[in-house]
Amino acid sequence: GEDVEQSLFLSVREGDSSVINCTYTDSSSTYLYWYKQEPGAGLQLLTYIFSNMDMKQDQRLTVLLNKKDKHLSLRIADTQTGDSAIYFCAESSGTYKYIFGTGTRLKVLA
Amino acid sequence: EAQVTQNPRYLITVTGKKLTVTCSQNMNHEYMSWYRQDPGLGLRQIYYSMNVEVTDKGDVPEGYKVSRKEKRNFPLILESPSPNQTSLYFCASSLDSGADTQYFGPGTRLTVL
Repeated sequence: GEDVEQSLFLSVREGDSSVINCTYTDSSSTYLYWYKQEPGAGLQLLTYIFSNMDMKQDQRLTVLLNKKDKHLSLRIADTQTGDSAIYFCAESSGTYKYIFGTGTRLKVLA
Repeated sequence: EAQVTQNPRYLITVTGKKLTVTCSQNMNHEYMSWYRQDPGLGLRQIYYSMNVEVTDKGDVPEGYKVSRKEKRNFPLILESPSPNQTSLYFCASSLDSGADTQYFGPGTRLTVL
């Protein structure tokens, strides 16, 4: 079946940029998403990108999509301690099914 | 306040004892979905519903049932729970699929002994 992969952990210093990477296998992916999960909470949609876009910027967040390599990244500028959370990459081909990655735990060091 | 609620939030049960986890949304969303979250596996979709009386299987439907008799409610039923269904369960809803934001409930932590 289709798969989405992420590295499990990332540690950065406060004020630095964080880059979280994701690879996916579904060539028919139409939407690619980034979700944030804070401790003890559900997931919250941060941003999404259409598969016909290369980049999307939203305040401190920049999403880059390399469709040829099926690679998605999320860059968080000026990372703060409040950004510490688990970040999930997900994809959908618009057919009501969603495939999520394993999640990347981001730890921000003060 | 727009929200997705789940009950119970925590449940410990024994193998074979039928249980239902309720999910309700107050946003008049068409689409609802159930996921389970397990360490190292991320979220996996169990079932989803595109509208009332319309449901379909996700990636891991075995051992689960759902129903969508009303737009706001989407209960998850475990007819005969087993220890491998010990997990953190999330319900989500959205206006539609694709570009519409999925709103997640707070989660239900289920332990099957």
